[in-house]
Amino acid sequence: KAGVTQTPRYLIKTRGQQVTLSCSPISGHRSVSWYQQTPGQGLQFLFEYFSETQRNKGNFPGRFSGRQFSNSRSEMNVSTLELGDSALYLCASSLALGTAIEKLFFGSGTQLSVL
Amino acid sequence: DQQVKQNSPSLSVQEGRISILNCDYTNSMFDYFLWYKKYPAEGPTFLISISSIKDKNEDGRFTVFLNKSAKHLSLHIVPSQPGDSAVYFCAANAGGTSYGKLTFGQGTILTVHP
Repeated sequence: KAGVTQTPRYLIKTRGQQVTLSCSPISGHRSVSWYQQTPGQGLQFLFEYFSETQRNKGNFPGRFSGRQFSNSRSEMNVSTLELGDSALYLCASSLALGTAIEKLFFGSGTQLSVL
Repeated sequence: DQQVKQNSPSLSVQEGRISILNCDYTNSMFDYFLWYKKYPAEGPTFLISISSIKDKNEDGRFTVFLNKSAKHLSLHIVPSQPGDSAVYFCAANAGGTSYGKLTFGQGTILTVHP
């Protein structure tokens, strides 16, 4: 069974540009969550999508957005990039069986560098 | 506001000995706790979890202990193996409608020496 796939693995952008990251969840998984990992802040929750609807959101500015498609694939977008957006962006999927605790399966991440 | 804290940035142990990784939390709403392991250039991998209604959960060499009154949990690895060397993250979930929203600690780098 294929794991969570994130593309691209590495990305270099300049300040002010925008970027779109892609995530394909494990087959059958209906929920996709996004996390940002930085050396200073650790792993921080961005947002979660289920059935094409955002059902949870973290404390990030509106420049960070996402969406989920009918096949559960997800994309996140960051507009007007800042140097501080340089981070590893991790996508995680889960079965979303309706239980409160979700066992998340993470992809290998997209390493974004903003110059 | 760091709601989940792993106060030890690193831990070094000998192969075969016990590794104990600690985690403290401040949010009383947290209902579920999870441990993840992360190797470089890979995403975190789920290890073990515990619900707040329990105080211990075992899975092979891994045991998680929860002390709700102290808002403290720990992960015990016995015996430790060199392949266990990785970054370990403690995470918490508030239950209810939190679903995939986890609050992570900063991580502890575990090094197991042969």
